[in-house]
Amino acid sequence: SQQGEEDPQALSIQEGENATMNCSYKTSINNLQWYRQNSGRGLVHLILIRSNEREKHSGRLRVTLDTSKKSSSLLITASRAADTASYFCATVKRGGSNYKLTFGKGTLLTVNP
Amino acid sequence: EPEVTQTPSHQVTQMGQEVILRCVPISNHLYFYWYRQILGQKVEFLVSFYNNEISEKSEIFDDQFSVERPDGSNFTLKIRSTKLEDSAMYFCASSPGQGRTNEKLFFGSGTQLSVL
Repeated sequence: SQQGEEDPQALSIQEGENATMNCSYKTSINNLQWYRQNSGRGLVHLILIRSNEREKHSGRLRVTLDTSKKSSSLLITASRAADTASYFCATVKRGGSNYKLTFGKGTLLTVNP
Repeated sequence: EPEVTQTPSHQVTQMGQEVILRCVPISNHLYFYWYRQILGQKVEFLVSFYNNEISEKSEIFDDQFSVERPDGSNFTLKIRSTKLEDSAMYFCASSPGQGRTNEKLFFGSGTQLSVL
């Protein structure tokens, strides 16, 4: 797989359920970030986890990072219809510029009311 | 909350024509970027711009592309002679400044460019 591959490609859940999305990458990284994109809108930064961190929380978001497996997961708890969006992981390669993000293709999350 | 604005939201052009995509970054940000997303593919880095010059560019950003900050607020991407494969969503982004403040990028809503 290529750098920043998310799975599943699409996920449909009911409101109130938890949503888990995964991301795999190939090269060593400085950090990994998750972005959200609502239909027709720009990318919104959600959370950043550094290579020396294993878990991070922000509100209903929980991100984990396993550098040995080169993978990350994004958990959204108690999902809401407003969480419906595409979610992308993006990595910054070790030694690379902070702003040069390598994105995955994204996971389309649909939260049904 | 301040946001990056892009105009137009949609642009249709004929192959071989020049297009200029416009962006207004967040006012106190110092770094500006263009990314693009071809339909069904990943968002890709094109170029970064700081202190009125390109600081980094990808292999995609060839001589057909140029960027400019013509005044204190606008940041533009020009494609000199468009090709069919330039059809994509182009995202402008900005970030505050040095070091870790550049880790979080603020993206605009994008300009959908269609080359016919």
